[in-house]
Amino acid sequence: EVQLMESGGGLVQPGGSLRLSCAASGFTFRNYWMSWVRQAPGKGLEWVANIRDDGGDKNYVASVKGRFTISRDNAKDSLYLHVNSLRAEDTAVYYCARDRPGGACYFDLWGQGTLVTVSS
Amino acid sequence: EIVMTQSPATLSLSPGERATLSCRASQSVSSYLAWYQQKPGQAPRLLIYDASKRATGIPARFSGSGSGTDFTLTISSLETEDFAVYYCQHYGTFGPGTKVGIK
Repeated sequence: EVQLMESGGGLVQPGGSLRLSCAASGFTFRNYWMSWVRQAPGKGLEWVANIRDDGGDKNYVASVKGRFTISRDNAKDSLYLHVNSLRAEDTAVYYCARDRPGGACYFDLWGQGTLVTVSS
Repeated sequence: EIVMTQSPATLSLSPGERATLSCRASQSVSSYLAWYQQKPGQAPRLLIYDASKRATGIPARFSGSGSGTDFTLTISSLETEDFAVYYCQHYGTFGPGTKVGIK
């Protein structure tokens, strides 16, 4: 079955860190750009970061630059998001998403999401 | 930075009715636009890409049109499972969403 499965979310204090993981299965992971998209409670979708299929190019939304790091391990079919210096406004469900081939950043496969709650 | 806006914010319709959702970009995005559907507690689902191409497995009652700055998602005859929030997207920018609710 083609799927993405996130893990690693939880409750963390402001200023804290987490590593989010996304396990891919059912498709050739190394052939796809991948992204993280988040959704604050009751709010809309916000693209966070993406990474090229070979890991050689990474892009971030301005609000997380310098605090979040996207990475991947193609040997393990896994995507990661290291989130540091967390703020209350980072509280959200974090989805990993597969970029549809073609370069236009269309997300054709999503995981179920992992919730990150930043609170003291 | 391109800003995406959607209208209306909420749409109340009955099953079988036609739904017309609008998305506007602050500057031309050519045809690089996608539409997603999201139901409560679920991840979004890609419906339309390149403004008018249906994604795999998407029913024909969903159609997209437009180019440049103005785009439309049309659901020709609403099914009960279509009541959801719909987002448009251009690259890293999503619109705020339109909620299609049952009248």
